[in-house]
Amino acid sequence: GAVVSQHPSRVICKSGTSVKIECRSLDFQATTMFWYRQFPKQSLMLMATSNEGSKATYEQGVEKDKFLINHASLTLSTLTVTSAHPEDSSFYICSARTGRNSEAFFGQGTRLTVV
Amino acid sequence: GENVEQHPSTLSVQEGDSAVIKCTYSDSASNYFPWYKQELGKRPQLIIDIRSNVGEKKDQRIAVTLNKTAKHFSLHITETQPEDSAVYFCAASRVGDMRFGAGTRLTVKP
Repeated sequence: GAVVSQHPSRVICKSGTSVKIECRSLDFQATTMFWYRQFPKQSLMLMATSNEGSKATYEQGVEKDKFLINHASLTLSTLTVTSAHPEDSSFYICSARTGRNSEAFFGQGTRLTVV
Repeated sequence: GENVEQHPSTLSVQEGDSAVIKCTYSDSASNYFPWYKQELGKRPQLIIDIRSNVGEKKDQRIAVTLNKTAKHFSLHITETQPEDSAVYFCAASRVGDMRFGAGTRLTVKP
């Protein structure tokens, strides 16, 4: 299947700093990428939908100024957690679709710890 | 927006038994329903999917059924094996949107 690479896999940052997470589709063009947050033993909570060349659509309750999403090309979307706080510590995972309404392939996820 | 509910949240079966996980969705525009399996520490992987023009799909020990009228779909795993133990997520999708259920933790006891 298609490959989605997410980087970094783990990051520890200090409170108040910003962290950028990259999601790349390695062997296909992804018109749509999704960003999720996953709490321990819980489901995938959709944060935002990212379409290439347009602004991301954020879910209710997700602060767009805190979680900046950029989908600059058909193979790259980035999530920047700005002014991170300990409560932002979580597992963030992206997925990308090969078509408009097709299977989504997941990245390996990023474990963010804010200290 | 779309709302996907999944039941049960946990399921424990004996090896060889069948397991059934059920999901309902709210948005009639959803027309693609994938199921993902997530093993501990790994990314979710697609195991089977179904589109709204099909009522049932089978792949070896795994089958999915869809009732568009009632807006529910189910995953059936037969002859379960210990390696089937994982968290399973259903999803309802349309163009530009994919929402997941809360997940079912399946444990297959040897």
